[in-house]
Amino acid sequence: GNSVTQMEGPVTLSEEAFLTINCTYTATGYPSLFWYVQYPGEGLQLLLKATKADDKGSNKGFEATYRKETTSFHLEKGSVQVSDSAVYFCALVIQGAQKLVFGQGTRLTINP
Amino acid sequence: GAVVSQHPSWVICKSGTSVKIECRSLDFQATTMFWYRQFPKQSLMLMATSNEGSKATYEQGVEKDKFLINHASLTLSTLTVTSAHPEDSSFYICSARNDATNEKLFFGSGTQLSVL
Repeated sequence: GNSVTQMEGPVTLSEEAFLTINCTYTATGYPSLFWYVQYPGEGLQLLLKATKADDKGSNKGFEATYRKETTSFHLEKGSVQVSDSAVYFCALVIQGAQKLVFGQGTRLTINP
Repeated sequence: GAVVSQHPSWVICKSGTSVKIECRSLDFQATTMFWYRQFPKQSLMLMATSNEGSKATYEQGVEKDKFLINHASLTLSTLTVTSAHPEDSSFYICSARNDATNEKLFFGSGTQLSVL
């Protein structure tokens, strides 16, 4: 079946630290991969996406590269800020299907 | 930008009562909306796909008679948890697909349901 596994949180970092949140997946077809972010009191927002192998999604200083050989889509940011504190969800959708499959989410807290 | 309003954001109810959760697309039309549920430390799991003017499509293992979905207009879908029990306590979140773009999904802020 299709599934997404994220590194377990919570993750706490200091401002300007380097961030990696691991995400691996299993899929029966050719998935598109996504990172969603949920800030406190708000809905999930699409952060970035990649639709095929070796694609790199990027937004707001965050990056993730679609690695087919390792079935991974790790989220990285070189220098985090307090405003990045949120819950991050990795997700996939099999192309042609409607259903998003989510990881369990990783809560990130950045301390000043 | 496109906004999805979900209401209420949290609710506490007694066992045996019914709870209705609303999901509205505020500035776009959504023929298709989705309802997810998340138990603590677990993934967001799709419960059902809500289609305007027709019956919802439920995922395997989700009781359609317990989780009633109504999508009577292009901007509103409701999820009613009937005869709620403590095991229904969870975080429920909806999303709506923008008919104009078809690709994009917009999410509500979620509803935390606690059944006593």
